[in-house]
Amino acid sequence: QKEVEQDPGPLSVPEGAIVSLNCTYSNSAFQYFMWYRQYSRKGPELLMYTYSSGNKEDGRFTAQVDKSSKYISLFIRDSQPSDSATYLCAMSVYGGSQGNLIFGKGTKLSVKP
Amino acid sequence: GAVVSQHPSRVICKSGTSVKIECRSLDFQATTMFWYRQFPKQSLMLMATSNEGSKATYEQGVEKDKFLINHASLTLSTLTVTSAHPEDSSFYICSAHNQETQYFGPGTRLLVL
Repeated sequence: QKEVEQDPGPLSVPEGAIVSLNCTYSNSAFQYFMWYRQYSRKGPELLMYTYSSGNKEDGRFTAQVDKSSKYISLFIRDSQPSDSATYLCAMSVYGGSQGNLIFGKGTKLSVKP
Repeated sequence: GAVVSQHPSRVICKSGTSVKIECRSLDFQATTMFWYRQFPKQSLMLMATSNEGSKATYEQGVEKDKFLINHASLTLSTLTVTSAHPEDSSFYICSAHNQETQYFGPGTRLLVL
């Protein structure tokens, strides 16, 4: 079993839809959880950063962490064509100061106008 | 958010030559930078951790004599792919640690002919 599992998609939704992206993980020691957005041929861009369990909201984006289920989610409200990208979840035990971010494979999202 | 740049963005070289990639943190100082590699449809894989003023730490399976890393200042780390071969063709991405998490550069696409 891989440490982080993420459905690669592709996921196609109409503009305005609510998008739900998810990752599961096996290492219960993970405490830091991140979502990155990666456009084609570009580096990942940090979207959300969460420590431990709970919810975090930033504009149209909401990140949820359920450590008891080892499950994290990213919700995108009122999705836009500009949201079309690959979304990577990442997590670590010690935080960003060490390189041991473990990434999911990424989910490719397409938002159709 | 913090800005990290990479240069060049794309490079094509002949087999056996060496290629240097620069990673700069533009608006913050980073004592630690990281180098990742991403193959098509795969997730980011950490290659090495670059520490300012000291030797880099390489992940298992990454040849330190082939991938030379220099972190000469708090804003610059370089990765040199020595004697590059076609199997080294990939997307190389650096990141810099800032407080809580990592910020990624835009990536360098290397094609070895």
